[in-house]
Amino acid sequence: QKEVEQNSGPLSVPEGAIASLNCTYSDRGSQSFFWYRQYSGKSPELIMFIYSNGDKEDGRFTAQLNKASQYVSLLIRDSQPSDSATYLCAVTVTGGGNKLTFGTGTQQKVEL
Amino acid sequence: NAGVMQNPRHLVRRRGQEARLRCSPMKGHSHVYWYRQLPEEGLKFMVYLQKENIIDESGMPKERFSAEFPKEGPSILRIQQVVRGDSAAYFCASSPRDNHQPQHFGDGTRLSIL
Repeated sequence: QKEVEQNSGPLSVPEGAIASLNCTYSDRGSQSFFWYRQYSGKSPELIMFIYSNGDKEDGRFTAQLNKASQYVSLLIRDSQPSDSATYLCAVTVTGGGNKLTFGTGTQQKVEL
Repeated sequence: NAGVMQNPRHLVRRRGQEARLRCSPMKGHSHVYWYRQLPEEGLKFMVYLQKENIIDESGMPKERFSAEFPKEGPSILRIQQVVRGDSAAYFCASSPRDNHQPQHFGDGTRLSIL
């Protein structure tokens, strides 16, 4: 079982719609959860981070964490063509210090 | 530019040569992490350093790879006797502390082995 799992996609989202990206993790002791956006050929860019159960909103982005279900998600409202990218879920795991364990990413395409 | 600075952006080496990748963390950040992204694969942790100390090198191959973060100057990831399989994007990230603070990434070094 992979430590961090994401649907690889591609996920097609109509412009203006809400995109929902999901991530599950295997280590129940995981403490910190991050979403990065990566455009093709570019570096990961931090979008959101969340530490506690519940929702955290920042502009068009909402991160949702459910530790009981070992599940973290990212919602993107009013999707724009510029949101077309690969979204990487990353966690810090128990005893792993601050190193990030990444999922393989979900490729998303926002279509007109 | 106050971001994480990596150089070179692109590096071409022949098999058997050495590759040196440099990373200067964001201003105010004292923790540096190196990750590798192989083509069509996810990001994999390699090594975590603070000034003059390697904190965690569990993701770094035991042979040919080394890393340092001296008291003065950038962090260096060194790959000796490169092989074709070392071709990848190498990203450096930094954070202000190690208590699960978000890491910010540099633009990466694309290493190509001929």
